[in-house]
Amino acid sequence: DAKTTQPPSMDCAEGRAANLPCNHSTISGNEYVYWYRQIHSQGPQYIIHGLKNTETNEMASLIITEDRKSSTLILPHATLRDTAVYYCIPQGGANAGNNRKLIWGLGTSLAVNP
Amino acid sequence: NAGVTQTPKFQVLKTGQSMTLQCAQDMNHEYMSWYRQDPGMGLRLIHYSVGAGITDQGEVPNGYNVSRSTTEDFPLRLLSAAPSQTSVYFCASSYGQGESPLHFGNGTRLTVT
Repeated sequence: DAKTTQPPSMDCAEGRAANLPCNHSTISGNEYVYWYRQIHSQGPQYIIHGLKNTETNEMASLIITEDRKSSTLILPHATLRDTAVYYCIPQGGANAGNNRKLIWGLGTSLAVNP
Repeated sequence: NAGVTQTPKFQVLKTGQSMTLQCAQDMNHEYMSWYRQDPGMGLRLIHYSVGAGITDQGEVPNGYNVSRSTTEDFPLRLLSAAPSQTSVYFCASSYGQGESPLHFGNGTRLTVT
């Protein structure tokens, strides 16, 4: 089962880019990298996912290294409302059909400061 | 479009009492699941369902029962509550099983005394 490593906490100034790293060296070839965030004890919220290279949506950008062993979530202009715990989860691919194998770590607690 | 709705938001039980945590989704998702979240631990899967009439155990199923009689609803039953079941419970659904984003409810905070 793919496991991830994320820094436990990070700080970012409001208006600056927040770059959240994730190592997933055991990800299988057809697993996607999914990112979720959890704001103040609410349910986790889907942000973005990708298989390789770069993906961008209205919330964030995701850059996956060529060897797919790590990725970075980028919030281009962080706001106070982006203060949350961010989770990186390998999902789908070989795990598709069995969500029992999703491993939720403790994520990165991002604090956006005024 | 309400998404995933969980009720109640808060609940206090005494040891040995039973209760049902409700979860409903209006997105016609086949896959639904229950997680618990405890301090210092990641989300842990309790039970899941891939469609009406089909359920299976997750990582921590003991002490919990589920059923899936409709696509929309996936209740979680605690037959005899124990203090170890004090936790925050999240229901999640998705279009597929593993290959599409999970949509979560806002949780039920349960305290067992």
